[in-house]
Amino acid sequence: DGGITQSPKYLFRKEGQNVTLSCEQNLNHDAMYWYRQDPGQGLRLIYYSQIVNDFQKGDIAEGYSVSREKKESFPLTVTSAQKNPTAFYLCASSIPRTSGGPDEQFFGPGTRLTVL
Amino acid sequence: SQQGEEDPQALSIQEGENATMNCSYKTSINNLQWYRQNSGRGLVHLILIRSNEREKHSGRLRVTLDTSKKSSSLLITASRAADTASYFCATGLGYIPTFGRGTSLIVHP
Repeated sequence: DGGITQSPKYLFRKEGQNVTLSCEQNLNHDAMYWYRQDPGQGLRLIYYSQIVNDFQKGDIAEGYSVSREKKESFPLTVTSAQKNPTAFYLCASSIPRTSGGPDEQFFGPGTRLTVL
Repeated sequence: SQQGEEDPQALSIQEGENATMNCSYKTSINNLQWYRQNSGRGLVHLILIRSNEREKHSGRLRVTLDTSKKSSSLLITASRAADTASYFCATGLGYIPTFGRGTSLIVHP
């Protein structure tokens, strides 16, 4: 089955700790994205990557870091610099359109991060 | 900043009724998309309508787009309890969509 997997589903972190959220896709999509969702809010873009070894900051990148060493994988690290990290994190992928965007996005099931 | 804004924020109906939700946006777009999110899950793409299209159907879904009013509507006909979810519109010009805050739909059996 093709799709996007995120792990873990639930994650608890103590204040001051860094934590890494996993995102893997086997859809052969070039582009991958990380979003943050807070209760009653829409999705806010954290980072995105169009190709391997390249990524760009989104609207709320402060306190987060990413890597894109493989096409299939786009892990997100929530650092201790992120002031309010408790949220639902969604990973997505797409085939970047050459024109007529935006792209249709395929989402993973999400990771709920709670800072204790 | 959020491009699309859905209205109403919450909608409660009985099974079998139609559900209509709206999305307004501020700037030019190439396409507008609707997504569904079940509680605690990821988003699922429902339908995409291009800026040169006025109406599109997919099963029980009907989407309209009025670029002169910068608005779109999503109609779900003959709703079912399984349609209970949040619905988001996503718009933009570039390849990354901007999502609204969503409409929470509850369908009572």
